[in-house]
Amino acid sequence: DQQVKQNSPSLSVQEGRISILNCDYTNSMFDYFLWYKKYPAEGPTFLISISSIKDKNEDGRFTVFLNKSAKHLSLHIVPSQPGDSAVYFCAGTTSGSYGKLTFGQGTILTVHP
Amino acid sequence: ETGVTQSPTHLIKTRGQQVTLRCSSQSGHNTVSWYQQALGQGPQFIFQYYREEENGRGNFPPRFSGLQFPNYSSELNVNALELDDSALYLCASSPAGLADYEQYFGPGTRLTVT
Repeated sequence: DQQVKQNSPSLSVQEGRISILNCDYTNSMFDYFLWYKKYPAEGPTFLISISSIKDKNEDGRFTVFLNKSAKHLSLHIVPSQPGDSAVYFCAGTTSGSYGKLTFGQGTILTVHP
Repeated sequence: ETGVTQSPTHLIKTRGQQVTLRCSSQSGHNTVSWYQQALGQGPQFIFQYYREEENGRGNFPPRFSGLQFPNYSSELNVNALELDDSALYLCASSPAGLADYEQYFGPGTRLTVT
Protein backbone atom coordinates (compact mmCIF):
# COMPACT_ATOMS: atom_id res chain seq x y z
CA ASP A 1 0.00 0.00 0.00
CA GLN A 2 2.00 2.91 -1.37
CA GLN A 3 0.41 5.98 0.21
CA VAL A 4 2.81 8.38 -1.48
CA LYS A 5 3.94 7.81 -5.05
CA GLN A 6 6.51 9.51 -7.20
CA ASN A 7 5.93 7.95 -10.58
CA SER A 8 8.95 9.43 -12.33
CA PRO A 9 12.14 7.66 -11.21
CA SER A 10 14.29 10.26 -12.93
CA LEU A 11 14.21 13.69 -14.55
CA SER A 12 16.84 15.37 -16.68
CA VAL A 13 16.80 19.16 -17.14
CA GLN A 14 19.05 21.77 -18.70
CA GLU A 15 20.59 24.38 -16.42
CA GLY A 16 18.43 27.50 -16.23
CA ARG A 17 15.22 25.70 -17.15
CA ILE A 18 12.38 24.67 -14.87
CA SER A 19 12.36 21.34 -13.07
CA ILE A 20 8.96 19.93 -12.12
CA LEU A 21 8.82 16.98 -9.78
CA ASN A 22 5.48 15.32 -9.15
CA CYS A 23 4.00 13.39 -6.26
CA ASP A 24 0.62 11.70 -5.71
CA TYR A 25 -0.85 10.53 -2.42
CA THR A 26 -3.78 8.38 -1.40
CA ASN A 27 -4.07 9.05 2.34
CA SER A 28 -6.64 11.82 2.79
CA MET A 29 -5.58 12.18 6.45
CA PHE A 30 -2.31 13.80 5.42
CA ASP A 31 -2.46 17.48 6.28
CA TYR A 32 1.17 18.43 5.80
CA PHE A 33 3.56 17.67 2.99
CA LEU A 34 7.29 18.07 2.74
CA TRP A 35 10.00 17.80 0.15
CA TYR A 36 13.43 16.52 1.03
CA LYS A 37 16.60 16.49 -1.05
CA LYS A 38 19.24 13.81 -0.70
CA TYR A 39 22.81 13.81 -1.95
CA PRO A 40 24.83 10.56 -2.03
CA ALA A 41 26.32 9.60 1.35
CA GLU A 42 24.25 12.25 3.13
CA GLY A 43 20.95 12.16 4.95
CA PRO A 44 17.87 13.81 3.45
CA THR A 45 17.70 17.56 4.04
CA PHE A 46 14.48 19.50 4.34
CA LEU A 47 13.67 21.67 1.35
CA ILE A 48 10.16 23.07 1.57
CA SER A 49 6.77 22.19 3.02
CA ILE A 50 3.11 22.98 2.59
CA SER A 51 0.08 22.73 4.80
CA SER A 52 -3.09 21.22 3.38
CA ILE A 53 -4.90 24.53 3.95
CA LYS A 54 -2.71 26.16 1.31
CA ASP A 55 -2.31 25.48 -2.37
CA LYS A 56 1.08 27.09 -2.87
CA ASN A 57 4.24 27.80 -0.90
CA GLU A 58 7.27 29.55 -2.26
CA ASP A 59 10.84 29.79 -1.00
CA GLY A 60 13.32 31.36 -3.35
CA ARG A 61 13.75 29.16 -6.40
CA PHE A 62 11.49 26.47 -4.94
CA THR A 63 7.70 26.42 -5.11
CA VAL A 64 5.44 23.63 -4.00
CA PHE A 65 1.88 23.36 -5.32
CA LEU A 66 -0.83 21.28 -3.71
CA ASN A 67 -4.01 20.11 -5.45
CA LYS A 68 -6.05 18.46 -2.71
CA SER A 69 -8.91 17.36 -4.93
CA ALA A 70 -6.46 15.49 -7.16
CA LYS A 71 -4.30 14.41 -4.21
CA HIS A 72 -1.32 15.71 -6.12
CA LEU A 73 1.59 17.94 -5.30
CA SER A 74 4.48 19.21 -7.34
CA LEU A 75 7.80 20.89 -6.71
CA HIS A 76 8.99 23.54 -9.15
CA ILE A 77 12.62 24.61 -9.25
CA VAL A 78 13.31 27.74 -11.27
CA PRO A 79 15.95 28.25 -12.51
CA SER A 80 17.50 24.82 -12.14
CA GLN A 81 21.19 24.67 -11.25
CA PRO A 82 23.69 21.78 -11.50
CA GLY A 83 23.93 21.78 -7.69
CA ASP A 84 20.25 20.83 -7.59
CA SER A 85 21.14 17.39 -8.94
CA ALA A 86 20.04 15.00 -6.20
CA VAL A 87 17.28 12.60 -5.23
CA TYR A 88 14.07 14.37 -4.24
CA PHE A 89 11.55 12.78 -1.92
CA CYS A 90 8.07 13.98 -1.14
CA ALA A 91 6.50 12.97 2.15
CA GLY A 92 3.14 13.28 3.85
CA THR A 93 2.29 13.43 7.52
CA THR A 94 -0.64 14.08 9.86
CA SER A 95 -1.09 16.66 12.61
CA GLY A 96 0.32 15.80 15.98
CA SER A 97 2.39 12.94 14.66
CA TYR A 98 5.63 14.72 15.50
CA GLY A 99 6.94 14.01 12.06
CA LYS A 100 6.09 10.41 11.28
CA LEU A 101 6.73 10.85 7.61
CA THR A 102 5.48 8.65 4.79
CA PHE A 103 7.85 9.01 1.86
CA GLY A 104 7.56 8.43 -1.85
CA GLN A 105 10.17 6.42 -3.75
CA GLY A 106 12.10 9.46 -4.84
CA THR A 107 12.96 11.10 -8.16
CA ILE A 108 16.55 11.48 -9.33
CA LEU A 109 17.00 14.97 -10.76
CA THR A 110 19.94 15.64 -13.03
CA VAL A 111 20.59 19.21 -14.09
CA HIS A 112 23.00 19.46 -17.03
CA PRO A 113 25.24 22.53 -17.43
CA GLU B 1 25.06 23.48 16.78
CA THR B 2 26.21 19.99 15.75
CA GLY B 3 24.18 17.95 13.31
CA VAL B 4 22.77 14.46 13.65
CA THR B 5 25.47 11.80 13.60
CA GLN B 6 25.22 8.04 13.16
CA SER B 7 27.60 5.16 13.73
CA PRO B 8 28.89 3.05 12.24
CA THR B 9 28.84 4.22 8.63
CA HIS B 10 28.85 0.71 7.21
CA LEU B 11 28.23 -2.67 8.78
CA ILE B 12 28.24 -6.25 7.50
CA LYS B 13 26.42 -8.91 9.48
CA THR B 14 25.41 -12.51 8.97
CA ARG B 15 21.83 -13.72 8.86
CA GLY B 16 20.58 -14.55 12.37
CA GLN B 17 22.92 -12.16 14.12
CA GLN B 18 21.94 -9.08 16.12
CA VAL B 19 22.98 -5.50 15.39
CA THR B 20 22.93 -2.17 17.23
CA LEU B 21 22.99 1.10 15.34
CA ARG B 22 23.61 4.40 17.09
CA CYS B 23 22.44 7.94 16.60
CA SER B 24 23.34 11.19 18.27
CA SER B 25 20.65 13.83 17.93
CA GLN B 26 21.09 17.57 17.93
CA SER B 27 21.12 19.07 21.39
CA GLY B 28 17.62 19.96 22.53
CA HIS B 29 15.92 17.50 20.16
CA ASN B 30 13.91 15.12 22.32
CA THR B 31 12.16 13.33 19.47
CA VAL B 32 14.03 10.79 17.38
CA SER B 33 12.66 8.71 14.54
CA TRP B 34 14.25 5.78 12.74
CA TYR B 35 13.73 4.96 9.09
CA GLN B 36 14.75 2.07 6.85
CA GLN B 37 15.60 2.89 3.24
CA ALA B 38 15.89 -0.07 0.91
CA LEU B 39 17.69 0.37 -2.38
CA GLY B 40 15.64 2.41 -4.84
CA GLN B 41 12.94 3.17 -2.29
CA GLY B 42 12.04 6.03 -0.02
CA PRO B 43 12.67 5.86 3.71
CA GLN B 44 10.13 3.79 5.66
CA PHE B 45 9.18 4.77 9.20
CA ILE B 46 10.25 2.19 11.78
CA PHE B 47 9.42 3.92 15.07
CA GLN B 48 9.73 7.14 16.99
CA TYR B 49 10.86 7.93 20.51
CA TYR B 50 9.80 10.96 22.49
CA ARG B 51 11.34 11.62 25.90
CA GLU B 52 12.67 8.05 26.03
CA GLU B 53 9.30 6.41 25.35
CA GLU B 54 8.21 4.78 22.10
CA ASN B 55 5.73 7.19 20.54
CA GLY B 56 4.59 5.30 17.47
CA ARG B 57 5.61 2.40 15.31
CA GLY B 58 5.47 1.57 11.63
CA ASN B 59 4.91 -1.82 10.05
CA PHE B 60 8.02 -3.49 11.44
CA PRO B 61 8.18 -6.67 13.57
CA PRO B 62 9.13 -6.66 17.27
CA ARG B 63 12.67 -7.79 16.49
CA PHE B 64 13.22 -4.13 15.63
CA SER B 65 13.54 -2.28 18.94
CA GLY B 66 14.95 0.98 20.16
CA LEU B 67 16.20 2.99 23.05
CA GLN B 68 16.50 6.71 23.61
CA PHE B 69 18.76 8.18 26.29
CA PRO B 70 18.63 11.49 28.17
CA ASN B 71 21.83 12.67 26.49
CA TYR B 72 20.08 12.90 23.06
CA SER B 73 21.55 9.62 21.86
CA SER B 74 19.51 6.64 20.71
CA GLU B 75 19.89 3.10 19.45
CA LEU B 76 18.17 0.87 16.95
CA ASN B 77 18.49 -2.84 17.69
CA VAL B 78 17.62 -5.55 15.21
CA ASN B 79 17.56 -9.19 16.30
CA ALA B 80 17.62 -12.32 14.15
CA LEU B 81 18.80 -10.46 11.08
CA GLU B 82 17.31 -11.42 7.74
CA LEU B 83 18.67 -10.78 4.26
CA ASP B 84 15.85 -8.27 3.62
CA ASP B 85 17.12 -6.15 6.51
CA SER B 86 19.93 -5.00 4.24
CA ALA B 87 19.26 -1.29 3.85
CA LEU B 88 20.30 2.23 4.80
CA TYR B 89 19.08 3.07 8.30
CA LEU B 90 18.43 6.73 8.97
CA CYS B 91 17.71 8.49 12.21
CA ALA B 92 16.06 11.88 12.34
CA SER B 93 15.61 14.23 15.27
CA SER B 94 13.20 17.05 15.98
CA PRO B 95 13.20 19.83 18.57
CA ALA B 96 11.01 19.67 21.63
CA GLY B 97 7.47 20.76 20.97
CA LEU B 98 8.02 21.06 17.28
CA ALA B 99 4.80 21.79 15.46
CA ASP B 100 6.04 22.16 11.91
CA TYR B 101 7.31 18.64 11.32
CA GLU B 102 10.81 19.47 10.08
CA GLN B 103 13.23 16.72 10.93
CA TYR B 104 16.98 16.65 10.75
CA PHE B 105 18.42 13.47 9.31
CA GLY B 106 21.75 11.82 9.93
CA PRO B 107 23.83 10.40 7.06
CA GLY B 108 22.69 6.86 7.79
CA THR B 109 24.23 3.47 8.49
CA ARG B 110 24.48 1.07 5.56
CA LEU B 111 23.73 -2.45 6.85
CA THR B 112 24.49 -5.46 4.69
CA VAL B 113 23.22 -8.87 5.81
CA THR B 114 24.84 -11.88 4.15
